[in-house]
Amino acid sequence: QSVLTQPPSVSGAPGQKITISCTGSSSNIGTNFDVHWFQQLPGTAPKLLIFGDNNRPSGVPDRFSASKSGSSASLAISGLQADDEADYYCHSYDNSLGGWLFGGGTELTVL
Amino acid sequence: QITLKESGPTLVKPTQTLTLTCAFSGFSITDDGVGVGWIRQPPGKALEWLALLYWDGDKRYSPSLNTRLNITRGTSKNQVVLTLTNLDPVDTATYYCSHSRRRPGYNLYYYYMDVWGKGTTVTVSS
Repeated sequence: QSVLTQPPSVSGAPGQKITISCTGSSSNIGTNFDVHWFQQLPGTAPKLLIFGDNNRPSGVPDRFSASKSGSSASLAISGLQADDEADYYCHSYDNSLGGWLFGGGTELTVL
Repeated sequence: QITLKESGPTLVKPTQTLTLTCAFSGFSITDDGVGVGWIRQPPGKALEWLALLYWDGDKRYSPSLNTRLNITRGTSKNQVVLTLTNLDPVDTATYYCSHSRRRPGYNLYYYYMDVWGKGTTVTVSS
């Protein structure tokens, strides 16, 4: 069981906006450690989507955005497209465990 | 351009030691603010962070696997090696290495994995 909790699945229709939550605790997100987000398309390696809470690497569309408040973070995807279907993972450092953590992952289905 | 490639055995027996190599290009492991890390993913399951080797030789390990893991620089200056001892079938996974970089102005807890290798699949079975 991950210390960073994500919903197992979310879905949305093309063009819609969805959000994926990542709930942590006072020893990780709540301590203001960075939250990063990764996208993993089927059968491929994860790809960095958001770093440092809300920064997009070069090449990531601005349809992807993220935010953080308290001990939680969220990833938003607007203008959903079929090729957004993937697993999404949040990632942060935990100073109680002394290492980095991934959330359990969220499977996005585009209806 | 930064690239990484993992290599190692595809099948290992329980109790054996797994040695994986990450060969990379486009950066030096001694560049200030750089790290190379390892992550794994069992079939159908979530990602699990394993270890990070910092540019200055510092290391961090997953607390749950700390006693079994070792991350070092390889014999070649463009390699990082991960060893995992006392293998069990639950260690069956795809193992990824990644390039990490520190956010400017931040400390060692503010690294993010910006480039990943394609991964190598390891099966632990007798």
